[in-house]
Amino acid sequence: GDSVTQKQGQVTLSEDDFLFINCTYSTTTYPTLFWYVQYPGQGPQLLLKVTTANNKGISRGFEATYDKGTTSFHLQKASVQESDSAVYFCALVYTGANTGKLTFGHGTILRVHP
Amino acid sequence: GGIITQTPKFLIGQEGQKLTLKCQQNFNHDTMYWYRQDSGKGLRLIYYSITENDLQKGDLSEGYDASREKKSSFSLTVTSAQKNEMAVFLCASSIGGGTEVFFGKGTRLTVV
Repeated sequence: GDSVTQKQGQVTLSEDDFLFINCTYSTTTYPTLFWYVQYPGQGPQLLLKVTTANNKGISRGFEATYDKGTTSFHLQKASVQESDSAVYFCALVYTGANTGKLTFGHGTILRVHP
Repeated sequence: GGIITQTPKFLIGQEGQKLTLKCQQNFNHDTMYWYRQDSGKGLRLIYYSITENDLQKGDLSEGYDASREKKSSFSLTVTSAQKNEMAVFLCASSIGGGTEVFFGKGTRLTVV
């Protein structure tokens, strides 16, 4: 079955640091890949989405590139702010699915100190 | 825009009790989902429904029932609450395949 792996349980940075969150996936299909962000007391919300057609997603200063060769979809941001502190989930769905049934990674907690 | 409303926000139940969580969406989405969120384990799908009166089991359906009596609402029942299933339960909805999934704020379940 499909699986998503986020190796980092927690990342701690200072403001203006570079962010890199690792995500790799395993699937036998052509996936659509997502990054969701969850702020305290909220449900996850979509940060960015990438399909095989567009390869790269950019949103609010975050970017992720879909690499079929390494089956990776790492999240990056050049300069983090304290307000970026949240939990980040990598997820995938089978592109041809008739539902949005997502497979999630375990999440990475990002803490940004001022 | 729309919103997903989950009730209650906090639910405390006794071990062995039957408990029901409710969810309403006004996006007019066809598909609705129940996910369970445990710390450090990500989100795992319990049930989903692609239309009114449809139910499909997810990876974690054992110990749960679901009901989709109207397009806008989807309820989840914990058939016999256990202490090891204390978690946050998230309701979500989407138009269909490969599209954005919208989440509610969750119901935090505590079993005493």
